[in-house]
Order: sequence, then structure tokens, then C-alpha cells
Amino acid sequence: SAVISQKPSRDICQRGTSLTIQCQVDSQVTMMFWYRQQPGQSLTLIATANQGSEATYESGFVIDKFPISRPNLTFSTLTVSNMSPEDSSIYLCSVEMVGGYSYEQYFGPGTRLTVT
Amino acid sequence: AQKVTQAQTEISVVEKEDVTLDCVYETRDTTYYLFWYKQPPSGELVFLIRRNSFDEQNEISGRYSWNFQKSTSSFNFTITASQVVDSAVYFCALGTDKLIFGTGTRLQVFP
Repeated sequence: SAVISQKPSRDICQRGTSLTIQCQVDSQVTMMFWYRQQPGQSLTLIATANQGSEATYESGFVIDKFPISRPNLTFSTLTVSNMSPEDSSIYLCSVEMVGGYSYEQYFGPGTRLTVT
Repeated sequence: AQKVTQAQTEISVVEKEDVTLDCVYETRDTTYYLFWYKQPPSGELVFLIRRNSFDEQNEISGRYSWNFQKSTSSFNFTITASQVVDSAVYFCALGTDKLIFGTGTRLQVFP
């Protein structure tokens, strides 16, 4: 398994500002992902954070709004830019662990964002 | 397109009852993974199980068991002798790399 930490764990931000969320893993992983969970909803993939190249965004998510960095195999950041109340969500990073016939995907504890 | 359906929005049971959470999926991929995650009120997502598309063996882990049937595209989850600590939202997910999540089933276990 992997131990994943996220900072901050929660924040309350004003509209129009930006927040950067950090995700740290205790081992090197190839694939890291960022998900969003809006209040009372399921999880939706925002993007795949690629090490050494630009992130790959899912339909409905754009780099200008959610810039992502992946400087190495254990760390990634997601920035929520120019926030509005609709961005209030839990943001979760996840990592893929592959080995032999094993394939797991683990999630960080999440960052609860409230935009006022 | 891939899709995961969890038709049960909310289930309430009394402690010690057995409960089954349904998950039906759609995919054109021949190789894929299915997952179950638990999200307690604290919010973290806890990995429960992963199943490969080529392995239809059912699995039991303590009070938890999973029934995977490719013929009906279902991957159901049963909790035997439920406990109050089982109260959470349970998500079924499908995919390789990118996961497609169902809408979740909220399970409430009352003492």
C-alpha cells in the first residue's frame, strides 16, 4: 500500500482567489491522479498528473482553471484558480500501485475546500 | 462509454443484519478492474477490494464478501452481521488507471 498525505486538509477561501493543494506519497509511483467530489456527489477525475510533462485533463476540466505540477515521482500539486462557490468540494489525489498481478489505487485523505 | 450504476441510494439496517450493495457496470474493454471503496463520515476513501476482469472468483474477507459475475456485469458487495462502524458511503468503481465511480450507496447501521 501507499501512505498519501495532502495539505491543507481543509480551507475556506474567498471567491476570486487561488489555492494550491499538495499531495505527497511515501514511495515512487508512476501514475498520480486528481479527483473532485462535490458535496453529496461521487468522485470525478480531473486529470492525470504526468511526471515530466503536462497533465492530461478530462472533459470539462482545463489547465487554466486547474493547473497541475508533477516535479517528481512522489509529489504533485493541484491549484484551483479564480475560485467560485461552485468549486467548493473535496479534492483527492490518488496513486496507482502496480506489481505482478496486483493493481491497487489508493487515495489521499482529501482537501475540503469551501469558497465563500 | 464506461458506466457504473449503484441503484441503491441509501440503505438502513439494524445491527447484525446482512446487507448487499449492488453494483452494475458497463464497459467495452476486455481487461479492466473493479473496486469497492468505503467513505466514512470523516471523508477519507478506504480501499476495500480490487477484482480483475479475468478473475471471477468470489472473495471473502472477514464479514465482507464480493460476488463478481461477468455474465450480468455485476460486482456486488455483502456485509454479514453488519455493525454500526460499517455506516458509511460505499463506492463501486471501474477502470484501469482512470476510475469511473458509481454514485455511491449510503449505508446506515442502527444499533
